[in-house]
Amino acid sequence: RKEVEQDPGPFNVPEGATVAFNCTYSNSASQSFFWYRQDCRKEPKLLMSVYSSGNEDGRFTAQLNRASQYISLLIRDSKLSDSATYLCVVNRVVVGSQGYLIFGKGTKLSVKP
Amino acid sequence: NAGVTQTPKFQVLKTGQSMTLQCAQDMNHEYMSWYRQDPGMGLRLIHYSVGAGITDQGEVPNGYNVSRSTTEDFPLRLLSAAPSQTSVYFCASSYVQYATNEKLFFGSGTQLSVL
Repeated sequence: RKEVEQDPGPFNVPEGATVAFNCTYSNSASQSFFWYRQDCRKEPKLLMSVYSSGNEDGRFTAQLNRASQYISLLIRDSKLSDSATYLCVVNRVVVGSQGYLIFGKGTKLSVKP
Repeated sequence: NAGVTQTPKFQVLKTGQSMTLQCAQDMNHEYMSWYRQDPGMGLRLIHYSVGAGITDQGEVPNGYNVSRSTTEDFPLRLLSAAPSQTSVYFCASSYVQYATNEKLFFGSGTQLSVL
């Protein structure tokens, strides 16, 4: 299994739709999980952290399933402005150091009028 | 409020040339890092630093050197550019040393082409 794996998409959805992305990770020792958003040819920006109990930020909900080693992102009532690539980010545990963040290849979302 | 500033935005090199990508942040962040992003590959960590004078290798360090003489600056050096180093390079920083728990702030990127 790849360290961080995402369905590349594209997910093409109409405005107002609900869409969900999943991301799997291979290292059960990973402790930090995030979703970043990247617009075309722009830098990534943090969308939200993912907490063990799940968390919500407006139309966005993130869930963590440690047993199955996946995280998910749910977007409700999709807007045209949600069109972007969504990056799943997990920390890599490195013995003897703090480790660092590993990015998935991203899932592309296109919201149509 | 400048945040993370990368220069240049675009660069074309010939194989074998050397150059330095500049990264500066004005947020007093301890942690700084360099990523490269290639089509279909996602972002991959090249090198990172947890403070002035401390650097470490990431996933793809070969062909790149870094140093961290000040908190603000974290330059990335290509000693002998190769076509395989054609990519978009992002510098990122965060507040604290334990960056895996903190938001990364990214620069706007440098598009590098090696011919």
